[in-house]
Amino acid sequence: SAVISQKPSRDICQRGTSLTIQCQVDSQVTMMFWYRQQPGQSLTLIATANQGSEATYESGFVIDKFPISRPNLTFSTLTVSNMSPEDSSIYLCSVYTTGTGNTEAFFGQGTRLTVV
Amino acid sequence: AQSVTQLDSHVSVSEGTPVLLRCNYSSSYSPSLFWYVQHPNKGLQLLLKYTSAATLVKGINGFEAEFKKSETSFHLTKPSAHMSDAAEYFCVVSGGSARQLTFGSGTQLTVLP
Repeated sequence: SAVISQKPSRDICQRGTSLTIQCQVDSQVTMMFWYRQQPGQSLTLIATANQGSEATYESGFVIDKFPISRPNLTFSTLTVSNMSPEDSSIYLCSVYTTGTGNTEAFFGQGTRLTVV
Repeated sequence: AQSVTQLDSHVSVSEGTPVLLRCNYSSSYSPSLFWYVQHPNKGLQLLLKYTSAATLVKGINGFEAEFKKSETSFHLTKPSAHMSDAAEYFCVVSGGSARQLTFGSGTQLTVLP
Protein backbone atom coordinates (compact mmCIF):
# COMPACT_ATOMS: atom_id res chain seq x y z
CA SER A 1 0.00 0.00 0.00
CA ALA A 2 0.97 3.66 -0.15
CA VAL A 3 0.07 6.71 1.89
CA ILE A 4 0.03 10.00 0.02
CA SER A 5 0.17 13.42 1.63
CA GLN A 6 -0.98 16.22 -0.62
CA LYS A 7 -1.01 19.90 0.17
CA PRO A 8 -2.52 22.37 0.22
CA SER A 9 -5.91 20.71 0.71
CA ARG A 10 -7.64 23.77 -0.70
CA ASP A 11 -6.87 27.28 -1.85
CA ILE A 12 -8.56 30.30 -3.32
CA CYS A 13 -6.36 32.12 -5.81
CA GLN A 14 -6.50 35.25 -7.92
CA ARG A 15 -6.58 34.84 -11.68
CA GLY A 16 -3.20 35.27 -13.31
CA THR A 17 -1.30 33.80 -10.37
CA SER A 18 0.23 30.34 -9.99
CA LEU A 19 -0.19 27.62 -7.38
CA THR A 20 2.17 24.75 -6.65
CA ILE A 21 0.69 21.54 -5.25
CA GLN A 22 2.93 19.11 -3.40
CA CYS A 23 2.62 15.34 -3.20
CA GLN A 24 4.63 13.20 -0.79
CA VAL A 25 4.51 9.39 -0.80
CA ASP A 26 5.60 7.18 2.07
CA SER A 27 7.45 4.77 -0.21
CA GLN A 28 9.54 4.96 -3.36
CA VAL A 29 7.55 4.72 -6.58
CA THR A 30 8.62 4.87 -10.18
CA MET A 31 5.67 6.77 -11.58
CA MET A 32 3.44 9.41 -10.04
CA PHE A 33 0.31 10.66 -11.72
CA TRP A 34 -1.58 13.94 -11.62
CA TYR A 35 -5.32 14.07 -12.26
CA ARG A 36 -7.84 16.86 -12.54
CA GLN A 37 -11.47 16.54 -11.52
CA GLN A 38 -13.54 19.43 -12.75
CA PRO A 39 -16.78 20.22 -10.90
CA GLY A 40 -19.30 17.43 -11.30
CA GLN A 41 -17.04 15.45 -13.61
CA SER A 42 -14.80 12.40 -13.56
CA LEU A 43 -11.03 12.30 -13.24
CA THR A 44 -8.84 13.15 -16.20
CA LEU A 45 -5.17 12.31 -16.30
CA ILE A 46 -2.99 15.40 -16.72
CA ALA A 47 0.45 13.84 -16.82
CA THR A 48 2.73 11.05 -15.67
CA ALA A 49 5.82 12.08 -13.71
CA ASN A 50 8.89 9.84 -13.76
CA GLN A 51 11.90 10.56 -11.63
CA GLY A 52 14.83 11.84 -13.64
CA SER A 53 12.95 12.63 -16.83
CA GLU A 54 10.41 15.10 -18.12
CA ALA A 55 6.78 14.42 -17.41
CA THR A 56 4.57 12.92 -20.10
CA TYR A 57 1.47 15.02 -20.75
CA GLU A 58 -1.90 13.82 -21.98
CA SER A 59 -3.68 15.41 -24.88
CA GLY A 60 -5.00 18.84 -23.97
CA PHE A 61 -2.41 19.50 -21.26
CA VAL A 62 0.89 21.31 -21.80
CA ILE A 63 4.01 21.79 -19.76
CA ASP A 64 3.85 25.59 -19.82
CA LYS A 65 0.47 25.53 -18.11
CA PHE A 66 1.10 22.56 -15.77
CA PRO A 67 4.84 22.27 -15.06
CA ILE A 68 5.72 19.22 -13.00
CA SER A 69 8.78 18.43 -10.94
CA ARG A 70 9.88 14.99 -9.77
CA PRO A 71 13.15 15.46 -7.84
CA ASN A 72 13.14 12.01 -6.20
CA LEU A 73 11.18 8.78 -5.92
CA THR A 74 8.85 9.98 -3.13
CA PHE A 75 7.94 13.54 -4.11
CA SER A 76 6.38 15.51 -6.93
CA THR A 77 4.89 18.94 -7.50
CA LEU A 78 2.32 20.20 -9.98
CA THR A 79 2.08 23.92 -10.71
CA VAL A 80 -1.05 25.45 -12.16
CA SER A 81 0.24 28.54 -13.97
CA ASN A 82 -1.43 31.78 -14.98
CA MET A 83 -4.70 30.60 -13.49
CA SER A 84 -8.15 31.42 -14.79
CA PRO A 85 -11.56 30.51 -13.33
CA GLU A 86 -11.66 27.53 -15.72
CA ASP A 87 -8.82 25.99 -13.71
CA SER A 88 -11.08 25.68 -10.66
CA SER A 89 -10.99 21.94 -10.00
CA ILE A 90 -9.79 19.27 -7.65
CA TYR A 91 -6.25 18.18 -8.43
CA LEU A 92 -5.19 14.74 -7.27
CA CYS A 93 -1.87 12.98 -7.02
CA SER A 94 -1.80 9.23 -7.48
CA VAL A 95 0.64 6.34 -7.42
CA TYR A 96 0.36 2.73 -8.47
CA THR A 97 1.61 -0.24 -6.55
CA THR A 98 2.08 -3.54 -8.32
CA GLY A 99 2.48 -7.01 -6.99
CA THR A 100 2.16 -10.33 -8.76
CA GLY A 101 0.85 -8.49 -11.79
CA ASN A 102 -1.84 -6.62 -9.90
CA THR A 103 -2.28 -2.90 -10.04
CA GLU A 104 -3.77 -0.75 -7.36
CA ALA A 105 -3.88 3.01 -7.38
CA PHE A 106 -3.74 5.20 -4.30
CA PHE A 107 -4.78 8.81 -4.25
CA GLY A 108 -4.02 11.85 -2.21
CA GLN A 109 -6.89 13.70 -0.58
CA GLY A 110 -6.81 16.22 -3.39
CA THR A 111 -6.35 19.96 -3.65
CA ARG A 112 -9.56 21.90 -4.13
CA LEU A 113 -8.64 24.97 -6.14
CA THR A 114 -10.93 27.93 -6.66
CA VAL A 115 -9.80 30.71 -8.97
CA VAL A 116 -11.53 34.06 -8.60
CA ALA B 1 -7.04 1.51 -26.11
CA GLN B 2 -9.52 1.23 -23.29
CA SER B 3 -12.70 2.93 -22.18
CA VAL B 4 -15.33 2.74 -19.47
CA THR B 5 -19.02 3.55 -19.67
CA GLN B 6 -21.08 4.01 -16.55
CA LEU B 7 -24.62 3.65 -17.76
CA ASP B 8 -26.32 5.77 -15.10
CA SER B 9 -25.19 9.20 -13.98
CA HIS B 10 -27.61 9.13 -11.04
CA VAL B 11 -29.14 6.25 -9.10
CA SER B 12 -31.61 6.71 -6.29
CA VAL B 13 -32.66 3.89 -3.94
CA SER B 14 -34.46 3.60 -0.64
CA GLU B 15 -32.54 2.56 2.43
CA GLY B 16 -32.58 -1.22 2.81
CA THR B 17 -33.20 -1.93 -0.88
CA PRO B 18 -30.65 -3.36 -3.34
CA VAL B 19 -28.12 -1.23 -5.19
CA LEU B 20 -27.04 -1.80 -8.80
CA LEU B 21 -24.49 0.48 -10.46
CA ARG B 22 -23.75 -0.50 -14.04
CA CYS B 23 -20.41 -0.41 -15.79
CA ASN B 24 -19.30 -1.60 -19.23
CA TYR B 25 -15.73 -1.53 -20.42
CA SER B 26 -13.64 -2.06 -23.50
CA SER B 27 -9.97 -2.90 -23.53
CA SER B 28 -7.38 -4.24 -25.94
CA TYR B 29 -5.71 -6.01 -23.05
CA SER B 30 -6.71 -8.35 -20.27
CA PRO B 31 -7.96 -5.59 -18.02
CA SER B 32 -7.92 -4.98 -14.33
CA LEU B 33 -11.15 -3.39 -13.16
CA PHE B 34 -11.87 -1.35 -10.07
CA TRP B 35 -14.64 0.45 -8.31
CA TYR B 36 -13.75 3.55 -6.31
CA VAL B 37 -16.02 5.58 -4.06
CA GLN B 38 -15.75 9.29 -3.37
CA HIS B 39 -17.68 10.77 -0.48
CA PRO B 40 -18.28 14.53 -0.44
CA ASN B 41 -15.08 16.41 0.33
CA LYS B 42 -13.21 13.15 0.82
CA GLY B 43 -10.54 11.33 -1.15
CA LEU B 44 -11.03 8.33 -3.41
CA GLN B 45 -11.36 4.97 -1.70
CA LEU B 46 -10.97 1.58 -3.35
CA LEU B 47 -14.09 -0.55 -2.96
CA LEU B 48 -12.94 -3.63 -4.82
CA LYS B 49 -10.88 -4.84 -7.74
CA TYR B 50 -10.82 -7.59 -10.34
CA THR B 51 -7.42 -8.78 -11.55
CA SER B 52 -8.09 -12.04 -13.43
CA ALA B 53 -8.78 -14.19 -10.41
CA ALA B 54 -12.32 -15.00 -9.26
CA THR B 55 -14.96 -13.33 -11.40
CA LEU B 56 -17.14 -12.49 -8.39
CA VAL B 57 -15.27 -9.96 -6.32
CA LYS B 58 -16.22 -8.96 -2.80
CA GLY B 59 -15.24 -5.56 -1.51
CA ILE B 60 -15.64 -3.42 1.54
CA ASN B 61 -18.93 -2.32 3.11
CA GLY B 62 -20.90 -5.22 1.64
CA PHE B 63 -20.33 -4.33 -2.01
CA GLU B 64 -19.50 -6.88 -4.67
CA ALA B 65 -19.06 -6.94 -8.43
CA GLU B 66 -19.09 -9.64 -11.06
CA PHE B 67 -16.76 -9.60 -14.04
CA LYS B 68 -18.58 -10.86 -17.14
CA LYS B 69 -16.23 -11.05 -20.07
CA SER B 70 -18.94 -12.06 -22.56
CA GLU B 71 -20.91 -8.93 -21.68
CA THR B 72 -17.84 -6.73 -21.03
CA SER B 73 -19.50 -5.67 -17.81
CA PHE B 74 -18.45 -5.13 -14.22
CA HIS B 75 -21.59 -4.07 -12.38
CA LEU B 76 -21.45 -3.11 -8.70
CA THR B 77 -24.12 -4.43 -6.34
CA LYS B 78 -25.08 -4.37 -2.69
CA PRO B 79 -28.02 -6.29 -1.23
CA SER B 80 -29.18 -3.55 1.14
CA ALA B 81 -28.37 0.15 0.86
CA HIS B 82 -27.36 2.21 3.86
CA MET B 83 -27.55 5.97 4.20
CA SER B 84 -23.77 6.09 4.46
CA ASP B 85 -23.49 4.62 0.94
CA ALA B 86 -24.57 7.93 -0.59
CA ALA B 87 -21.56 9.02 -2.65
CA GLU B 88 -20.07 9.16 -6.14
CA TYR B 89 -18.90 5.84 -7.55
CA PHE B 90 -16.33 5.43 -10.30
CA CYS B 91 -15.69 2.36 -12.42
CA VAL B 92 -12.07 2.24 -13.54
CA VAL B 93 -10.17 0.08 -16.02
CA SER B 94 -6.43 -0.47 -16.09
CA GLY B 95 -4.52 -2.22 -18.82
CA GLY B 96 -1.43 -2.35 -20.94
CA SER B 97 2.19 -1.89 -20.08
CA ALA B 98 1.64 1.67 -18.83
CA ARG B 99 -1.04 0.45 -16.38
CA GLN B 100 -2.89 3.64 -17.14
CA LEU B 101 -6.19 4.12 -15.34
CA THR B 102 -9.24 5.21 -17.28
CA PHE B 103 -12.13 6.48 -15.20
CA GLY B 104 -15.80 6.24 -16.00
CA SER B 105 -17.91 9.36 -15.77
CA GLY B 106 -19.20 8.42 -12.34
CA THR B 107 -22.56 7.49 -10.81
CA GLN B 108 -24.04 9.57 -8.03
CA LEU B 109 -25.84 7.28 -5.59
CA THR B 110 -28.60 8.80 -3.47
CA VAL B 111 -30.09 6.79 -0.61
CA LEU B 112 -33.55 7.85 0.51
CA PRO B 113 -34.74 7.28 4.08
